[in-house]
Amino acid sequence: EAGVTQSPTHLIKTRGQQVTLRCSPISGHTSVYWYQQALGLGLQFLLWYDEGEERNRGNFPPRFSGRQFPNYSSELNVNALELEDSALYLCASSSGVSLGTEAFFGQGTRLTVV
Amino acid sequence: GESVGLHLPTLSVQEGDNSIINCAYSNSASDYFIWYKQESGKGPQFIIDIRSNMDKRQGQRVTVLLNKTVKHLSLQIAATQPGDSAVYFCAENMEYGNKLVFGAGTILRVKS
Repeated sequence: EAGVTQSPTHLIKTRGQQVTLRCSPISGHTSVYWYQQALGLGLQFLLWYDEGEERNRGNFPPRFSGRQFPNYSSELNVNALELEDSALYLCASSSGVSLGTEAFFGQGTRLTVV
Repeated sequence: GESVGLHLPTLSVQEGDNSIINCAYSNSASDYFIWYKQESGKGPQFIIDIRSNMDKRQGQRVTVLLNKTVKHLSLQIAATQPGDSAVYFCAENMEYGNKLVFGAGTILRVKS
């Protein structure tokens, strides 16, 4: 069974540009989470989608947004990129909102803003 | 609250020794906890979990201890091996938010 897949794996963008990152969850999983991991730092929660709706959001500015499609795949959009947006962006999926469902992570997208 | 971005502490252990990685969680209402291992260049991988109605759970070579009184979680790795070298994160899950909040992480370095 395929795990969580993210694309692209690496990306270089210029400050001020916009970027879209993609995530395909494990088959049957309806929840998708996005996290930002700056180099050498911990994971910061960005967004949680379930059944096509945004359920929760972390302390990030509005230029970070996303959506979840009917097939439960998800996109993370970042507008007006800043240098400090350079990070590994991780997507995770889980089988639902019930307690006790561990999240499975993808390999991440490494975004570099220059 | 949210985990704060901090530079990660490092634990160095000798191969074959036991490792203990500690984590302080933030919300007394959290009722499910997970330990993840992140190797260089990879996403976090699930190691072991524990619910708040338990204070200890054992896996293969790993044990998680939960102390709800002081909001403390620990991961014990027996007979640490070079392949255990990674960053270890604890995460707490609050049922109403279903948001995994991660601790800052600890780098484990195993010396041969």
